[in-house]
Amino acid sequence: ELKVEQNPLFLSMQEGKNYTIYCNYSTTSDRLYWYRQDPGKSLESLFVLLSNGAVKQEGRLMASLDTKARLSTLHITAAVHDLSATYFCAVGRRALTFGSGTRLQVQP
Amino acid sequence: ETGVTQTPRHLVMGMTNKKSLKCEQHLGHNAMYWYKQSAKKPLELMFVYSLEERVENNSVPSRFSPECPNSSHLFLHLHTLQPEDSALYLCASSQEVQTSYEQYFGPGTRLTVT
Repeated sequence: ELKVEQNPLFLSMQEGKNYTIYCNYSTTSDRLYWYRQDPGKSLESLFVLLSNGAVKQEGRLMASLDTKARLSTLHITAAVHDLSATYFCAVGRRALTFGSGTRLQVQP
Repeated sequence: ETGVTQTPRHLVMGMTNKKSLKCEQHLGHNAMYWYKQSAKKPLELMFVYSLEERVENNSVPSRFSPECPNSSHLFLHLHTLQPEDSALYLCASSQEVQTSYEQYFGPGTRLTVT
C-alpha cells in the first residue's frame, strides 16, 4: 500500500523567513504533485514533478524531487501572508494518494 | 462554465435521505474521480472512471453509489448515510487515467449528515 507522509503537519512562520516542507512516499514513483488548498476551497495544482532531479519554481515556492530517496521538498523563500494555505503532495500510479497536508500560517 | 463544476456546493441531509452530488467537467477529459476529504484524514480516493467505465473502487461502502453516464458527467448517489460521512467531496478530472496527467479539481460539495 502506497503511503505518503508530509512533515510538518502545521507550520507557523513569520513573513520574510524561509522554510521547507517534506514529502516522503513509500513505493517507487517518478511523478509527484504539489497542490495548494485555501480554507473552504478546492485544490489548486502548483507543481508537477515528472523525473528524478526535477526542480520547479514559481514565485516564492520551489519544489524538487529525488526519486531514489522517495522524497520531495517544497521550499518557501521569504514567506508572505498570501502563502498561508494547506499544501498537499500526492503520488501514485493509477490514481493519486495524498499526504495529510501541511497547514502553513504566515504571520505578518 | 469552465473547468470542473460541482453541485450542490453545500448539502445537509438526514440519515434516511437520498441525495445525489453532480460533477461536470468542461475540459474534454476522459477520466473522472471522486475524492473524500474529512477533517481528520488525508484526502481519500473513492472512485475512478475512465470513459464511463469504473476502473477503481477503493473499498467504499455501498451507501455511496457512483454513476458516470458520459465522460463529462459524474454523479455520486447517497443513501442512508452516517454522520461520519460528513466531509468535503471533491470531483476531479484528467486527460487519461494515469498519474502522468494532471488532475483538475472542482470546488467540492460540503456534505453534512445529521
